[in-house]
Amino acid sequence: DAGVIQSPRHEVTEMGQEVTLRCKPISGHDYLFWYRQTMMRGLELLIYFNNNVPIDDSGMPEDRFSAKMPNASFSTLKIQPSEPRDSAVYFCASSLSEDRARATQYFGPGTRLTVL
Amino acid sequence: GQSLEQPSEVTAVEGAIVQINCTYQTSGFYGLSWYQQHDGGAPTFLSYNGLDGLEETGRFSSFLSRSDSYGYLLLQELQMKDSASYFCAVRSENTGFQKLVFGTGTRLLVSP
Repeated sequence: DAGVIQSPRHEVTEMGQEVTLRCKPISGHDYLFWYRQTMMRGLELLIYFNNNVPIDDSGMPEDRFSAKMPNASFSTLKIQPSEPRDSAVYFCASSLSEDRARATQYFGPGTRLTVL
Repeated sequence: GQSLEQPSEVTAVEGAIVQINCTYQTSGFYGLSWYQQHDGGAPTFLSYNGLDGLEETGRFSSFLSRSDSYGYLLLQELQMKDSASYFCAVRSENTGFQKLVFGTGTRLLVSP
């Protein structure tokens, strides 16, 4: 069974460019999370969705960041315009609401973003 | 708000036992999770405590004391492959049962 899939795995771009990160959650999972990980700030939750609806976007740093989930099997995180301080590893994770006991989150391999 | 504290780094030798502590402050606490992350990899679930006491999964165990707002991860019979970062994360009734807030992580270095 495929895990969470993210693309691209690596992205190098120049300041001011638009960046789009993509995620396919595990089939059947109804929660999707976007995280950003840096040495300085650790693992931060940016936004999460339940049944394709954004529930909490309080972690989104600023208006340059936006996320969508048009259907149950696809989500995007967009940064426009990108800045060097956006350089980080971005993880997507999914979970199943029926797993109420543990709420285990399954992480994708991450996208390493470098903004020059 | 929510806050978690973990040691930044722990070192140990192969075959030893190591304990990684986590203290938390959160309203509406619901449970404590532990995740492992190898360098360059993604976090993976290790253990969860919703109730006080010890949960055992092979060489790994996790403990929770709600009254002390404290938990720990115990790794026994350490192996080189256990060198990784370990994160505690809290669930809260106030922020939705599925949302996790992660600590800053503890880097474990296992030496021969």
